[in-house]
Amino acid sequence: DVVLTQTPPTLSATIGQSVSISCRSSQSLLDSDGDTYLNWLLQRPGQSPQLLIYSVSNLESGVPNRFSGSGSETDFTLKISGVEAEDLGVYYCMQATHAPLTFGSGTKLEIK
Amino acid sequence: EVQLQQSGPEVGRPGSSVKISCKASGYTFTDYVMNWVKQSPGQGLEWIGWIDPEYGSTDYAEKFKKKATLTADTSSSTAYIQLSSLTSEDTATYFCARYDSSYIRFDYWGQGVMVTVSS
Repeated sequence: DVVLTQTPPTLSATIGQSVSISCRSSQSLLDSDGDTYLNWLLQRPGQSPQLLIYSVSNLESGVPNRFSGSGSETDFTLKISGVEAEDLGVYYCMQATHAPLTFGSGTKLEIK
Repeated sequence: EVQLQQSGPEVGRPGSSVKISCKASGYTFTDYVMNWVKQSPGQGLEWIGWIDPEYGSTDYAEKFKKKATLTADTSSSTAYIQLSSLTSEDTATYFCARYDSSYIRFDYWGQGVMVTVSS
């Protein structure tokens, strides 16, 4: 199975600060169809996960554009440009290129 | 508006089974595969499997092949997961999530169902 390693495990940020989360894959996530199926999810406290970014860098509808994704092959990054209070929670990367689908271990974002 | 409404919390005795539901609305149920995801207390996310409601076809992660059974009722637009031979390891929150195969993403999630295994 593909292992996704997220760093850091926890992140503390002030409002307005920009932060980045890394997700590294044990295998290339480039699919044979040319796409890379790496998504980012946010799980706010007590809520179900919600999709932020799909296919590395595509912003899901309704998600603020302070969120952005980048990367290729095995190295991916989620950036939040100007953290807001509502951004606290646990961020997960998820790959759907290789079966079975797998998730990263999560990065908890705390607001100082 | 797309909604996935899951059933309420369940308590099951060790060795028993529980069946939880995920009722879909706001879209054509048979147009999207439904996935299930497990989250153990204080832990991350774990993919269980998917069901294609149109054909009834399923796929499971290896570790859940003997634990979970996925079904779907197209007449009520409801997906189900049955967990059998419950142990303390099955205590977790279980989410259903709609899979958009056009963009390879889980675009809508249910609110989750807490299953507690206790004697």
